[in-house]
Amino acid sequence: ETGVTQTPRHLVMGMTNKKSLKCEQHLGHNAMYWYKQSAKKPLELMFVYSLEERVENNSVPSRFSPECPNSSHLFLHLHTLQPEDSALYLCASSQASGPNTGELFFGEGSRLTVL
Amino acid sequence: DQQVKQNSPSLSVQEGRISILNCDYTNSMFDYFLWYKKYPAEGPTFLISISSIKDKNEDGRFTVFLNKSAKHLSLHIVPSQPGDSAVYFCAALSNFGNEKLTFGTGTRLTIIP
Repeated sequence: ETGVTQTPRHLVMGMTNKKSLKCEQHLGHNAMYWYKQSAKKPLELMFVYSLEERVENNSVPSRFSPECPNSSHLFLHLHTLQPEDSALYLCASSQASGPNTGELFFGEGSRLTVL
Repeated sequence: DQQVKQNSPSLSVQEGRISILNCDYTNSMFDYFLWYKKYPAEGPTFLISISSIKDKNEDGRFTVFLNKSAKHLSLHIVPSQPGDSAVYFCAALSNFGNEKLTFGTGTRLTIIP
């Protein structure tokens, strides 16, 4: 099993659909993240959960709704998205305790296309 | 305003030669600098990092140099191998405040056999 697993790997949805992205980590970490990667842009942090509590919401539109039921699972619920939301969505995890050195463990990403 | 900049979107290097990837930053409060490597259809993987109190960190074929006065860091790969072909992201972390990573836009490195 890989450390951080994301499903689905590819998703195509219409603007009126509701879908969810799932992330699972098997590394024993207690912080999880959602990043968005658009073409020719830096990775953008969307949400951070530490010890299952949301500690960062980086001004993300409400059509993206995160959920972290436990330290191993993270969801991103999607509804009424726009075509400009098409991007690669990356989940990552890290150990929240101890000095923060910035080392994140990423999943393979979910490629989202909004029609 | 981008705090971490990678001004070269792509770089091609002959196999066996040295690859040098560059990164500039604007925030003098950054504590750590990291390089991530990303292959197509995979997530980024951590490659090497450097603390702001150091000017060099070496790990095998990979060396990161930090020039704080110039707010510049670079990643040297020597000798370059075909498996090094990937997108390399520079990232920086400030432990003061929100402690989040700030990424650059990436540089696509192609190693020519």
